[in-house]
Amino acid sequence: DGGITQSPKYLFRKEGQNVTLSCEQNLNHDAMYWYRQDPGQGLRLIYYSQIVNDFQKGDIAEGYSVSREKKESFPLTVTSAQKNPTAFYLCASSTSGTGTKNIQYFGAGTRLSVL
Amino acid sequence: AQKVTQAQTEISVVEKEDVTLDCVYETRDTTYYLFWYKQPPSGELVFLIRRNSFDEQNEISGRYSWNFQKSTSSFNFTITASQVVDSAVYFCALTRTDSWGKLQFGAGTQVVVTP
Repeated sequence: DGGITQSPKYLFRKEGQNVTLSCEQNLNHDAMYWYRQDPGQGLRLIYYSQIVNDFQKGDIAEGYSVSREKKESFPLTVTSAQKNPTAFYLCASSTSGTGTKNIQYFGAGTRLSVL
Repeated sequence: AQKVTQAQTEISVVEKEDVTLDCVYETRDTTYYLFWYKQPPSGELVFLIRRNSFDEQNEISGRYSWNFQKSTSSFNFTITASQVVDSAVYFCALTRTDSWGKLQFGAGTQVVVTP
């Protein structure tokens, strides 16, 4: 079945530690996105990538980093510079092109907590 | 800048009642797309509908219906004869002008359906 796989489902971070969230898709989508969800705030865009080897900052990129070395993979690293990382992280993908109409499909999310 | 407002934080209904979720948006674009997503307790966002700004026809899909009114910048969603499985957070979203493919989400409305 085609879809987006996020791992792990739950992740705990210690102070000063970097952690990496995995996102893999087999939908052959060019574009991929990372969102952060906090209670009552909806989804906020962290980073997005329209094509392999290219990515752009979203609205809240500080304290996060990404890479896009393969079409199917878009890992997100939460660095120690992110002082409030506790949140639910969602990865999405969509087809490319003149993309304002493209539907984004989402993974099941990773819940990150600070120890 | 685009903005999506979902003023209802939570709606509680008894099974078989109808429930309407409000979505009001702001944009300076003449061409844009509106979306509704469902987030069940499992966490994954599920795509429900995409609407082009030029198409003001209402749409019905099973127990779901959508009322798009450009004059009032609203895109409301009604669940008819609600069921317990409809319990979820529902998000309205709008395509963003400033960059390709990005979505502006509302804060979401929690729907609780009790038997």
